[in-house]
Amino acid sequence: EVQLLQSGGGLVQPGGSLRLSCAASGFTFSRDAMGWVRQAPGKGLEWVSIIYSGGRRTNYADSVKGRFTISRDDSRNTLYLQMNALRAEDTAIYYCARGSDDWGQGALVTVSS
Amino acid sequence: DAVMTQSPLSLPVTLGQPASISCRSSQSLVHSDGNIFLFWLQQRPGQSPRRLLYKVSNRDSGVPDRFSGSGSGTDFTLKISRVEAEDVGVYYCMQATQWPYTFGQGTKLEIK
Repeated sequence: EVQLLQSGGGLVQPGGSLRLSCAASGFTFSRDAMGWVRQAPGKGLEWVSIIYSGGRRTNYADSVKGRFTISRDDSRNTLYLQMNALRAEDTAIYYCARGSDDWGQGALVTVSS
Repeated sequence: DAVMTQSPLSLPVTLGQPASISCRSSQSLVHSDGNIFLFWLQQRPGQSPRRLLYKVSNRDSGVPDRFSGSGSGTDFTLKISRVEAEDVGVYYCMQATQWPYTFGQGTKLEIK
């Protein structure tokens, strides 16, 4: 059974940093593209970033480019999202996703003073 | 970017009746490899999204056969043959043919 267990959400001040983690199990992590999708309160879904197998190729939404960094540790079967220079508009539930196949439970990130 | 437009945005349905959701893309979703990376996801209240269909019409494991998908190019449809109470939630189409991957606005299905 595929499991994506997320951690790392919380409250942070504008301009601050936060790192999200997603521990994967139940599939061969190293073979799959992994990504982060967010959902602002009461809103729809937005792809934030994706990292492909091997870790060398990544993509980012324009809204986070230069501030967020996606990475993966295939030895630990873990996906990360380092979020810097956070803004109020980054407030959302962040989901870890295995392509479009499987989704984590979500982690709430609140950016507020 | 491929803009995904869903209709309707609100869908009240009587139990046992059919339902249909349209999804239109601003660009062709045919990938250079010939595949169409168009997916349908369901998000029940308070839950994470769950994929129902992949590559237009293929049901994921455990998805009831009352859900079906069709379409090509830029126009796609999700159909539920007979709505059940557990189908309440928001339905999203999503394209992964080109980055940025994009979602429709979501269609909220409720029971009349």
